[in-house]
Amino acid sequence: EAGVVQSPRYKIIEKKQPVAFWCNPISGHNTLYWYLQNLGQGPELLIRYENEEAVDDSQLPKDRFSAERLKGVDSTLKIQPAELGDSAVYLCASSSSRDYPAIETQYFGPGTRLLVL
Amino acid sequence: AQKITQTQPGMFVQEKEAVTLDCTYDTSDQSYGLFWYKQPSSGEMIFLIYQGSYDEQNATEGRYSLNFQKARKSANLVISASQLGDSAMYFCAMRFGGKTGANSKLTFGKGITLSVRP
Repeated sequence: EAGVVQSPRYKIIEKKQPVAFWCNPISGHNTLYWYLQNLGQGPELLIRYENEEAVDDSQLPKDRFSAERLKGVDSTLKIQPAELGDSAVYLCASSSSRDYPAIETQYFGPGTRLLVL
Repeated sequence: AQKITQTQPGMFVQEKEAVTLDCTYDTSDQSYGLFWYKQPSSGEMIFLIYQGSYDEQNATEGRYSLNFQKARKSANLVISASQLGDSAMYFCAMRFGGKTGANSKLTFGKGITLSVRP
């Protein structure tokens, strides 16, 4: 079974430029998460989707970040414009509410490492 | 406030020996789930083991076991027979509240670096 796929793996941009990250979850997983991981820290949730609905976006900086999951499968996270402080790893994860006994275990992709110059 | 604490500095272990990675948590919830993830230098978070707050027995998964002490609010990961490939960052995480809905996000600790010496 294929895992969570993310692209690109690495991205270097100049500040004020836009950038987009793509995620394809594990087949059949209805829940998708975007996390931000700063260097030396654990991941922090940005947004969670149940199918195509964003059910928790309280930590998403909406002035510059946006996300979509139009058909309830793959998802795109966008930053516009990027700032120096956005340099981090952006992780995508997915889970299934039908997963048992490890209830809704989240499986992560390899992440996108973003460097803003 | 709900919080995960991992305070150990970088850990070193000799190959083939066992090592314990500490994790404590703070919550007033009765229902929660505890997870451990491994993050090698490649960056992917790899799920290792899960413990539910109502599970009476400690979880085990191959060489991984979880020493769950509910009264002390600790969920330490034990890795037996360490291998060179175990060198990585290890994160403890918790899902507070019920199975689904608003509490499905994971709260992570800051992680512990484990280095296995040959």
